[in-house]
Amino acid sequence: DADVTQTPRNRITKTGKRIMLECSQTKGHDRMYWYRQDPGLGLRLIYYSFDVKDINKGEISDGYSVSRQAQAKFSLSLESAIPNQTALYFCATSDLPRDRRYNEQFFGPGTRLTVL
Amino acid sequence: KNQVEQSPQSLIILEGKNCTLQCNYTVSPFSNLRWYKQDTGRGPVSLTIMTFSENTKSNGRYTATLDADTKQSSLHITASQLSDSASYICVVSQNYGGSQGNLIFGKGTKLSVKP
Repeated sequence: DADVTQTPRNRITKTGKRIMLECSQTKGHDRMYWYRQDPGLGLRLIYYSFDVKDINKGEISDGYSVSRQAQAKFSLSLESAIPNQTALYFCATSDLPRDRRYNEQFFGPGTRLTVL
Repeated sequence: KNQVEQSPQSLIILEGKNCTLQCNYTVSPFSNLRWYKQDTGRGPVSLTIMTFSENTKSNGRYTATLDADTKQSSLHITASQLSDSASYICVVSQNYGGSQGNLIFGKGTKLSVKP
């Protein structure tokens, strides 16, 4: 979805390096999420944020941290990258829907991260 | 344990043919079930969302069905096109939109449409 952008799109780094992945959105959504996707596995939630002052751990937050700098920006950091963090990372956004049964998430294009 | 299982893992069909992808879930409490299409190297894009009271929902050539009693869903693709080649992901949400709406993702079915 072009309204959700991620930078960089590809990154190769070395073990022990600090890495930041950025996500920006123009959808005006309050809620933002970071997921990782590994081959043969479903997407797994790393962190999520419901507004600028709200940060919540997801299923696999160890080794990651996030920053919600503004409503439109949500960054994911790997403080000391390790090879098993090699994966495809997706940012997503959602809004509180008028009908609470339909909490749709909109995904960015992904960042392919390789840790050597 | 909350799980979403999809079958088959991969599927190859000829252009113009129909196909059906399956999703079984053991997620509770159930809020809604979504089907996403993910092109290679791209983010997932929503195709349909259904709550427990909805049996079927269509989006163009895509038709999703849901049987909340048996906890099964299917995605039927009619008259397949080369552009349908992608991974199709079944996702079940545990809670209503008031909370994070914990999403359980299936591993996806990789569909290849050949000319």
